[in-house]
Amino acid sequence: AQKITQTQPGMFVQEKEAVTLDCTYDTSDQSYGLFWYKQPSSGEMIFLIYQGSYDEQNATEGRYSLNFQKARKSANLVISASQLGDSAMYFCAMRAGSARQLTFGSGTQLTVLP
Amino acid sequence: DTGVSQDPRHKITKRGQNVTFRCDPISEHNRLYWYRQTLGQGPEFLTYFQNEAQLEKSRLLSDRFSAERPKGSFSTLEIQRTEQGDSAMYLCASSLPGAEEQYFGPGTRLTVT
Repeated sequence: AQKITQTQPGMFVQEKEAVTLDCTYDTSDQSYGLFWYKQPSSGEMIFLIYQGSYDEQNATEGRYSLNFQKARKSANLVISASQLGDSAMYFCAMRAGSARQLTFGSGTQLTVLP
Repeated sequence: DTGVSQDPRHKITKRGQNVTFRCDPISEHNRLYWYRQTLGQGPEFLTYFQNEAQLEKSRLLSDRFSAERPKGSFSTLEIQRTEQGDSAMYLCASSLPGAEEQYFGPGTRLTVT
């Protein structure tokens, strides 16, 4: 079975600073993918970034980067130069093996302070 | 390209009634997923279609739940004899063949009174 753990229920960051959201995962599959989604108060899940288990380099998408440490089974999201619009719930998710569905963590509520 | 759409956005029903939700995926996305999200939690997988074939069903999906995707385009999720515990946000997502990322719709919020 797959499991995603997000240990930070809430995080605060000052506007324009960087913030790291933690995510650890557990799976017995060698092939897996890790995802981060953003869910603003409007409710829609927005795809941010993806990292495959065999990718040697950390994924980056604009201000988002995924700090992938395979040995530690962690896939932390780094948001650089935070903006007020980054305030939202952030979910880490995993797809493992031949399964197509995603397993989500419980999320981290990020608040960006002006 | 329009995103995933879901209808209705909100549904209030009385316990024991049947409800049906619709999801229209992004054009050319052959994979379609249903998830359920309760307050303060991450989404939980319910079921998955590739084209018209339902390939995976979660153990969360009781006999009262049924999903279809008859022509491999839109999908419907029906809940029979609703219970208060069914109150949740029902999310639909779709993805392209060979692609990893799933794109979510705005969800249908169900309230069972």
